[in-house]
Amino acid sequence: KAGVTQTPRYLIKTRGQQVTLSCSPISGHRSVSWYQQTPGQGLQFLFEYFSETQRNKGNFPGRFSGRQFSNSRSEMNVSTLELGDSALYLCASSSGLAGVSYEQYFGPGTRLTVT
Amino acid sequence: GQNIDQPTEMTATEGAIVQINCTYQTSGFNGLFWYQQHAGEAPTFLSYNVLDGLEEKGRFSSFLSRSKGYSYLLLKELQMKDSASYLCAVREDAGNKLTFGGGTRVLVKP
Repeated sequence: KAGVTQTPRYLIKTRGQQVTLSCSPISGHRSVSWYQQTPGQGLQFLFEYFSETQRNKGNFPGRFSGRQFSNSRSEMNVSTLELGDSALYLCASSSGLAGVSYEQYFGPGTRLTVT
Repeated sequence: GQNIDQPTEMTATEGAIVQINCTYQTSGFNGLFWYQQHAGEAPTFLSYNVLDGLEEKGRFSSFLSRSKGYSYLLLKELQMKDSASYLCAVREDAGNKLTFGGGTRVLVKP
């Protein structure tokens, strides 16, 4: 079974631009969560999608948004990029009843650099 | 608010035992997780505790005390490949949202 895939793996953007990151969960997994990882703040939860609906949201500004498609693939978008958005963006997928499981599988991440 | 604390760094010798402590104060509790993350790689799941007590999984064990808001991860028979960051995380409600501690970097020396 293929793991969680994320594209692109690396991205360089300029302040003020916007970016879209993509995540394909493990086949059969219906829950996708997104996290931001930085050296200063560690791993922080952005949002979770299950069956195309946002189920949970973290404490990030409205510039961060996401969506999930009917095939469970998910995208997140960051508009009006700031230098502080430079981070590793990880997505994790989960199976289980209502998509809740004791184990989440993380993808390799997208390394975003904002200059 | 939420607060999950764990030591920043620990050093141990190959073959030894290391215990990584994690204390948490969260508004809800629906499970505590430990993840391992090697530099430049994604976190991988190690263990899950939702009831008090010890869960053993090979060389790794995890303990939980809900009344004390405390957990530890025990790594036995340390190997060089165990050099990594270990992340403690709490799930507060019914979804998959995890709140992570800052991570403990473990360095295993020969």
